[in-house]
Amino acid sequence: GQSLEQPSEVTAVEGAIVQINCTYQTSGFYGLSWYQQHDGGAPTFLSYNALDGLEETGRFSSFLSRSDSYGYLLLQELQMKDSASYFCATGGFKTIFGAGTRLFVKA
Amino acid sequence: DAGVTQSPTHLIKTRGQQVTLRCSPKSGHDTVSWYQQALGQGPQFIFQYYEEEERQRGNFPDRFSGHQFPNYSSELNVNALLLGDSALYLCASYFSGGYNEQFFGPGTRLTVL
Repeated sequence: GQSLEQPSEVTAVEGAIVQINCTYQTSGFYGLSWYQQHDGGAPTFLSYNALDGLEETGRFSSFLSRSDSYGYLLLQELQMKDSASYFCATGGFKTIFGAGTRLFVKA
Repeated sequence: DAGVTQSPTHLIKTRGQQVTLRCSPKSGHDTVSWYQQALGQGPQFIFQYYEEEERQRGNFPDRFSGHQFPNYSSELNVNALLLGDSALYLCASYFSGGYNEQFFGPGTRLTVL
């Protein structure tokens, strides 16, 4: 089977940097994705790592270590609008999502 | 480009009834997945349709069924509704050549009374 573990909540202040970790157990690995979901909204794709290393997209970066079955999402220069839930996900045709990390950004 | 669209937005049903939810994928996408999201939880994979066939299925009972049409749009049907079926139902689409980025619709909020 497949499962992903991530912290339930993280709080940070505006302008800071926050890291959201994700550990996974999979029977077959198809890369790690990250999605953002605001309250009442749909999940939106942020990033995807198929190989080990860091992928950077603007203020967001994502890291993967396949040997450690671990990845993280790094958010820099936090803004109030970054307050949302963040999900790591993996899988090929059958995508499995973690339970999500709720990020609270304080002024 | 309208993106992924879903209908209806909200739906209220009673136990034992049947419901049909609809999804139109983003233009150029040929694969549709359906997810169930309970409040405070991550999306749970129900099944995926490609070339009008169910390609993969999650741990959901046979009460959950679906269909994909030649224009790639899709339906999710749930029979014999239970209170526990109350959730946000999300549809996601992608092009089969690039599955790592799924585009989600706004969802259908189903309430079973």
